[in-house]
Amino acid sequence: NAGVMQNPRHLVRRRGQEARLRCSPMKGHSHVYWYRQLPEEGLKFMVYLQKENIIDESGMPKERFSAEFPKEGPSILRIQQVVRGDSAAYFCASSLTEYNSPLHFGNGTRLTVT
Amino acid sequence: QKEVEQNSGPLSVPEGAIASLNCTYSDRGSQSFFWYRQYSGKSPELIMSIYSNGDKEDGRFTAQLNKASQYVSLLIRDSQPSDSATYLCAVNADNYGQNFVFGPGTRLSVLP
Repeated sequence: NAGVMQNPRHLVRRRGQEARLRCSPMKGHSHVYWYRQLPEEGLKFMVYLQKENIIDESGMPKERFSAEFPKEGPSILRIQQVVRGDSAAYFCASSLTEYNSPLHFGNGTRLTVT
Repeated sequence: QKEVEQNSGPLSVPEGAIASLNCTYSDRGSQSFFWYRQYSGKSPELIMSIYSNGDKEDGRFTAQLNKASQYVSLLIRDSQPSDSATYLCAVNADNYGQNFVFGPGTRLSVLP
């Protein structure tokens, strides 16, 4: 009964490189959320996706960041031309339904930009 | 205007005491409410869900919901040092495009 799977757990990128973060939701879940968290800070919503659709991307920076959740395969959060300020923990969560079911979180990807 | 508010803490309680964590929300259309525990450096872990007014108990945890007052709380009985963590309140409502809104979290410290 696998939970939400994120990979990689740790990712180191040099400034200007691209970072790709992957998230496989729990089995049967079609709602995926991405959050960013800086040390000692709260969760910051980035984007909410359903299969093949971006529902709400109001928390995502307009430039360099993109997300997708294709019909087949994991959800991908892509950060182009990373900068030091992108260093953070990125959490993916999934839910069974749109309402009245909780989010289940993956273990996160810790991105470090050097 | 913040939609989900929590005291940031830290809230310190002695071992064995009851820890009381509070959360208020602004949207009366909110439908479901969740408490998450997050240890430092780890991901949030769901500990309680509550959907209707009243109390819901699970082991040492009790969630309390009062929709009229737009208030949800979490009580932890017989607090243990292992309960020391940040507790996040989350609210689910169809008025939020993203469906879920998290509070900033309350840091709890249980002193041995």
